[in-house]
Amino acid sequence: GDSVTQMEGPVTLSEEAFLTINCTYTATGYPSLFWYVQYPGEGLQLLLKATKADDKGSNKGFEATYRKETTSFHLEKGSVQVSDSAVYFCALSDPASGGSNYKLTFGKGTLLTVNP
Amino acid sequence: NAGVMQNPRHLVRRRGQEARLRCSPMKGHSHVYWYRQLPEEGLKFMVYLQKENIIDESGMPKERFSAEFPKEGPSILRIQQVVRGDSAAYFCASTYHPGLSEQYFGPGTRLTVT
Repeated sequence: GDSVTQMEGPVTLSEEAFLTINCTYTATGYPSLFWYVQYPGEGLQLLLKATKADDKGSNKGFEATYRKETTSFHLEKGSVQVSDSAVYFCALSDPASGGSNYKLTFGKGTLLTVNP
Repeated sequence: NAGVMQNPRHLVRRRGQEARLRCSPMKGHSHVYWYRQLPEEGLKFMVYLQKENIIDESGMPKERFSAEFPKEGPSILRIQQVVRGDSAAYFCASTYHPGLSEQYFGPGTRLTVT
């Protein structure tokens, strides 16, 4: 079945440091890939997405590129801020395995803490 | 436009009791998903519903769990005779059109079984 593996946390960085959170996936078909962010006490929010190979999703300074050859979708940000402290989830939606329901398969999440 | 609403936010039940979790989708959304997050785990799909229909319940435990999304009112996830292993955060998400629009998540209900 489909699965998502992302780097274990927690990750602690100083403000303005470079961020990378690794994510690799296994899928039956040709999935769409997502990064979601969860701030304390809130629900998940879509951060960015990519729907085909070599697509780059970007939002709020975060970027991730859909790499089919390495089945990866690593999240990066050049300069993190304290307000980026949250849990980040990598996810996929694979019509080949899920049919037309587009359910999401998530990684375990990575807690990011950014210190001033 | 209000976001996805879930209530209660926190629910404590004793073993053997019933738990009812409610999810009100965003206005205009007729597709609802339920996910469960066990401690130290990612979110896992449970069930996908459209108004008055269960489309995919492949992630639901076979016993004690049920879900509905009536024509009027919120979607309900019902857990009968709860056990300690049911303690988790339960999230619902809604969308206008699966595959074409994103899933919007509620804040979750944290169920604790004592």
